[in-house]
Amino acid sequence: KQEVTQIPAALSVPEGENLVLNCSFTDSAIYNLQWFRQDPGKGLTSLLLIQSSQREQTSGRLNASLDKSSGRSTLYIAASQPGDSATYLCAVNPRAGGATNKLIFGTGTLLAVQP
Amino acid sequence: GAGVSQSPSNKVTEKGKDVELRCDPISGHTALYWYRQRLGQGLEFLIYFQGNSAPDKSGLPSDRFSAERTGGSVSTLTIQRTQQEDSAVYLCASSLFRSGGAGEQFFGPGTRLTVL
Repeated sequence: KQEVTQIPAALSVPEGENLVLNCSFTDSAIYNLQWFRQDPGKGLTSLLLIQSSQREQTSGRLNASLDKSSGRSTLYIAASQPGDSATYLCAVNPRAGGATNKLIFGTGTLLAVQP
Repeated sequence: GAGVSQSPSNKVTEKGKDVELRCDPISGHTALYWYRQRLGQGLEFLIYFQGNSAPDKSGLPSDRFSAERTGGSVSTLTIQRTQQEDSAVYLCASSLFRSGGAGEQFFGPGTRLTVL
C-alpha cells in the first residue's frame, strides 16, 4: 500500500532564507508526483508536476526534484517570502493495476515565513 | 479561464439529512475527482470519473455516498443519512485525460460540510 510522508510537519524560517521540504513514498511505481500549496480555508493550488521519467521541474523560485528509485522528492524554495506561508502537500499518482488516477497525499508541511 | 468551482461553499446540516455537493470542472477536462479532508487529517480520495463513468469508486467510505456526472461536465456528490463523521471539506479536482496516469489535477475551493 502506497504511503506518503512529509518531513518536517512544520517549519518556521526568517524571510529571505532558502528552504527544502521533503516528501517520501513507499512504492516507486508511480506515474507522477505533484506539489501543492494550501492556504487556510482554501482549496489546493498546483505548484509543480513531475512525471516519473523526469528528475526535476522548476517554476520561478520553486524547484522540485524526484528520485523515484529511492522514493523521495524535495521542494526547494529560494529566497522565501512571507507570502509563501502555507501548508505544502505532495501527492503521488500510483501506477496501480486497473484504471485509477487517484492521488495519494502526504499530511503536509506547515510553513511560516517570518518577516 | 475559469477554474474548478464548487457549491455550496459551506453546508450545515442535521444528522440524518441528505446533502448534495456540486462540482463544475474546468471546461474540456474529461477527468474529475472527489477528495475529502477531515479536520487534522490528510486528503482522502473518494471517486474518479472519466467522462460520465467512474472506473474507480474505491474511496467511497460507505453506501451512503454516491456520485454521478452528467454531460461529461458537472458532478454531484450525494451523502445520504449524514453522520457527524461525515463532517469534512469535500474537494473536487479535474484534469485533462492522459493515457498513462493522471494529468495535472486542479482543485476547486471545496465545500465545508458540518453535520450537527
